[in-house]
This record gives sequence, C-alpha cells and structure tokens, in this order.
Amino acid sequence: SYELTQPLSVSVALGQTARITCGGNNIGSKNVHWYQQKPGQAPVLVIYRDSNRPSGIPERFSGSNSGNTATLTISRAQAGDEADYYCQVWEVFGGGTKLTVL
Amino acid sequence: QVQLQESGPGLVKPSETLSLTCTVSGYSISSGYYWGWIRQPPGKGLEWIGSIYHSGSTYYNPSLKSRVTISVDTSKNQFSLKLSSVTAADTAVYYCARAAMPRGAFDIWGQGTMVTVSS
Repeated sequence: SYELTQPLSVSVALGQTARITCGGNNIGSKNVHWYQQKPGQAPVLVIYRDSNRPSGIPERFSGSNSGNTATLTISRAQAGDEADYYCQVWEVFGGGTKLTVL
Repeated sequence: QVQLQESGPGLVKPSETLSLTCTVSGYSISSGYYWGWIRQPPGKGLEWIGSIYHSGSTYYNPSLKSRVTISVDTSKNQFSLKLSSVTAADTAVYYCARAAMPRGAFDIWGQGTMVTVSS
C-alpha cells in the first residue's frame, strides 16, 4: 500500500517561513491535499490538488509537489498557525506534523 | 452554508457493530459530491474509512473493507457508517466529510463524534 512520510515536528520563528514535507514514491505524479488541525477541532482543508487554496485560506499558505516530495509552505508564520498538519493522497494520510511557532 | 453533523452511540461493546449517521444540511446529497468517513484514534493521526456517492457507489479502505458498510438515505439527506466486530483499536473520533472525488480532498467536515469501544 502507498505510504506518506511526514516529519513529526517542525518549528518556525514568528514571521518566518515554515515548510512541511510529505514524502511518497513518485508523489509528484499524484494529487496531494493538506489539512490543518487545531486541538479539539476537525481538520480544515488548506491546500488541494498540490497547490490550490480553498476560499478563505490565506495566501500565506501555498503548496508544491515534485518528484518524491510534496511541500506545504506557510509564509509569515503566525501564532495561530500552530497546529497539526496532514497530507493526503487518495485514501492515505500522512502521519501528521506538529508545527510550533516560536 | 453546508454543514455536516455526526450522531450515534458514544459507547460500543467489543465484538458489536458501531453505527453512526451523518446528517447534511444546506446541500442535497442527491446533487452530487462524495460523502465520506474518517477517524482519528486519541492522540493519533487520521485514517480514511470510505466514501459513497448518492447513487450508492462505495469506496472503502482496503484495511477495513471486510468490516465496513457505508450507505446513503437521500430522502433524509443522511449517510451512515457501520463497522462490525469492533475492538478497542476502533476507539476514535469519527468524522464525516464531503469530497469532490471518491478519494479526493475533504472540503467540509463535521465536528466529529467520539466513539469508545469498551465493555
């Protein structure tokens, strides 16, 4: 079965750029979606099909996908961006990455 | 706006069947989209369970396929999940959600409901 690998945690200084990766075999040929989940809340879709933002998601959130790695980039990180982030390909979710804003 | 709400027992005994319903408001299931279930064990990540189209076409996670049934009731604008022969490993928050494709991105989620498997 297909597997997705995410780092357990990523830290970023306030106002700087955070990059969260999602590794998978030839993931660049697949559609990758990204979710943000804050404690006690349902996940929220922040990027779909590699690089598309749903309405209401700030432009600070962007995505890219090539080769064996997809990346979620959060520019000008804010305290409110602290959350768990999950990637998804088909029916598979990555293990999740905890983003800490310092 | 479109809203999804899960309902069902919060406690299920081992070996029994877990049954949950998702009620959709603000959108007719018959109009399209795929309607899915995702779960999250306490402190762990997300697991895709399956999805259904209003026609009744279903798509299941291979690892759960033998125990899962997802059905739709368009007259009530609801879809349901049944998971048989549950064990403690099935204890999780269960979410229902909407997707544009059978295994696509879920753009709208319910708030989730905690189900504990215990005697």
